[in-house]
Amino acid sequence: NAGVTQTPKFQVLKTGQSMTLQCAQDMNHNSMYWYRQDPGMGLRLIYYSASEGTTDKGEVPNGYNVSRLNKREFSLRLESAAPSQTSVYFCASSGNRGGNQPQHFGDGTRLSIL
Amino acid sequence: DAKTTQPNSMESNEEEPVHLPCNHSTISGTDYIHWYRQLPSQGPEYVIHGLTSNVNNRMASLAIAEDRKSSTLILHRATLRDAAVYYCILRRYGGSQGNLIFGKGTKLSVKP
Repeated sequence: NAGVTQTPKFQVLKTGQSMTLQCAQDMNHNSMYWYRQDPGMGLRLIYYSASEGTTDKGEVPNGYNVSRLNKREFSLRLESAAPSQTSVYFCASSGNRGGNQPQHFGDGTRLSIL
Repeated sequence: DAKTTQPNSMESNEEEPVHLPCNHSTISGTDYIHWYRQLPSQGPEYVIHGLTSNVNNRMASLAIAEDRKSSTLILHRATLRDAAVYYCILRRYGGSQGNLIFGKGTKLSVKP
């Protein structure tokens, strides 16, 4: 029972490099989310996808792009990595955006940008 | 979304019950009360949620005040594995983004 799977778990990049963080869920959820968590802080929403085929910006979208490849997969891309993007990235999913829907999270990708 | 207030930290002894409080005095009628926890170096984990009535599941119980301006997460017998940061979050039914807005939460320490 995998739930939400994120790859890779760890990554070190140099400033200016690009990479894609992968996320897949096997719960047939409609809504998916990308958050970042900086040390000692709560999670902040980067982008979300309310349903397959739609994506929208969250609180901190600058420097990121997303793709909702299909219902299962939602990827996050850093086109030109910057040290300020060093963070832990979490993907989450829920049945829909409704208030009565719990969100399920992956284990995170720990990203360091040098 | 309405704001919640939680104590910064709490301590408990292993195998004793733990009551984690949350105040949400500006809660609206369509706000659900959610609790999540985050263990060290892990992603947040859903614990429980409710609207008006008390709720129980295998992990915990949620006691909601009659006026809904406060709630309490109850861990019936704390274990060392329950040491985590616990977040009380309000989610509005029909909210635009559906994301969770995390505050600082309560850091629970469990002593053996």
